[in-house]
Formats: sequence, structure tokens, C-alpha cells
Amino acid sequence: GIQVEQSPPDLILQEGANSTLRCNFSDSVNNLQWFHQNPWGQLINLFYIPSGTKQNGRLSATTVATERYSLLYISSSQTTDSGVYFCAAITGGFKTIFGAGTRLFVKA
Amino acid sequence: DTEVTQTPKHLVMGMTNKKSLKCEQHMGHRAMYWYKQKAKKPPELMFVYSYEKLSINESVPSRFSPECPNSSLLNLHLHALQPEDSALYLCASSQGFLRVGNTIYFGEGSWLTVV
Repeated sequence: GIQVEQSPPDLILQEGANSTLRCNFSDSVNNLQWFHQNPWGQLINLFYIPSGTKQNGRLSATTVATERYSLLYISSSQTTDSGVYFCAAITGGFKTIFGAGTRLFVKA
Repeated sequence: DTEVTQTPKHLVMGMTNKKSLKCEQHMGHRAMYWYKQKAKKPPELMFVYSYEKLSINESVPSRFSPECPNSSLLNLHLHALQPEDSALYLCASSQGFLRVGNTIYFGEGSWLTVV
């Protein structure tokens, strides 16, 4: 089956810093999503991005489908950005294959 | 605020108990999902209902029994669980197939501890 790999596994930032999270996938996918899981467990959908670039406030994402990777950019990080960031490949109609996640801690 | 509501938020149950997790959405979505997430691991798909019919069962043990009474409700019945079943159980919904651009929405999850 398809493999989804994320890097780095852990990241500690000082508030205000910028960061880039990477997601590689082993095969063609129907689509790709980025999620943020807050410390209380809720998964929030950040981007649905099969290709190209999208921006939402301080966050932006780029997917290069032909090269099988996606990047999530966080600018001017805030403590509320802490949590786990997952990318997930969509295969078939309903299946979502999650990567292992990047654990982000933003220090005040 | 999440539009997928899960109850209870926390549940502690013994290995001989029978309990249920409940999930509700009022977005008119026709697909509903159960995921299981162990500590420091990504979510893993358990079941998918599409138009109130079971569409996907990812070889989940029979001690987990899903039920979709109507298009807004999804239950997960639990019986004779093991301590290793302790996890965060996430419900989600989507308008339809994910591959065509439908967004998946997750609830806040139910934290289950089996003692």
C-alpha cells in the first residue's frame, strides 16, 4: 500500500519563528490533506491540496504531485500552533492514509 | 466549534462491560467514519458508512460493533474489550467520496480506558 512519510518527527520553535514541514508519499494519490491535532485530541482540517499552493492566514501549503511531496509552511508561529501536524493521502473513495505526524511545540 | 459531536468525551469501562460511543452530525453528510488512535500514533480507519450502509470494515474485531441508525447518527457498541483497546476514538463525516474534493470533519473524540 501507499506509504506516507513526514519530517521532521519533532520540532521545537520559539514563538515568532517560521517552519516547514514535509510530507512524502510513495505513489500517486487522489488527493492530499493536512491536519492539525490540538493537545485535546481534535483533528482540524487545514488544507485539501492535490496540487499547487494554498494559503490560509499564517499557514500555506504546496503539493508537487509529480514529485510526490507536499510542504506545510507555518510563519510567525504562536503557542496555539502547538500540537501534531498530519498529512494524509486519500486513496480510493473513503480511505485516508495518515503519516506518522510532526509534533510541534512552540515556546513562549 | 466542531460540527461533529461525540459523547461521552471520556469513558472508563471494565472488560466485561457493554458500552456505546455516540456520534452525531447535522451537516447533511452521507458518509460517516470511526477511527481509532493510540497514543503518539496516527488515526487508523475502522469503519465507514455510506448512505447508512456499512461500506468499509478494516478487519476490526467483533467486540467493536458499529451501527448507523440514520444519516445523522453513528454508534460504536463496545463489548468485552481488552486493555489494549484503550485509545482515542474519533468520529468523522463527509459529504461523500473524499477523492473528489469533499472535506472530512472530525469530532473531538472519545477517550476510552479499559480496565
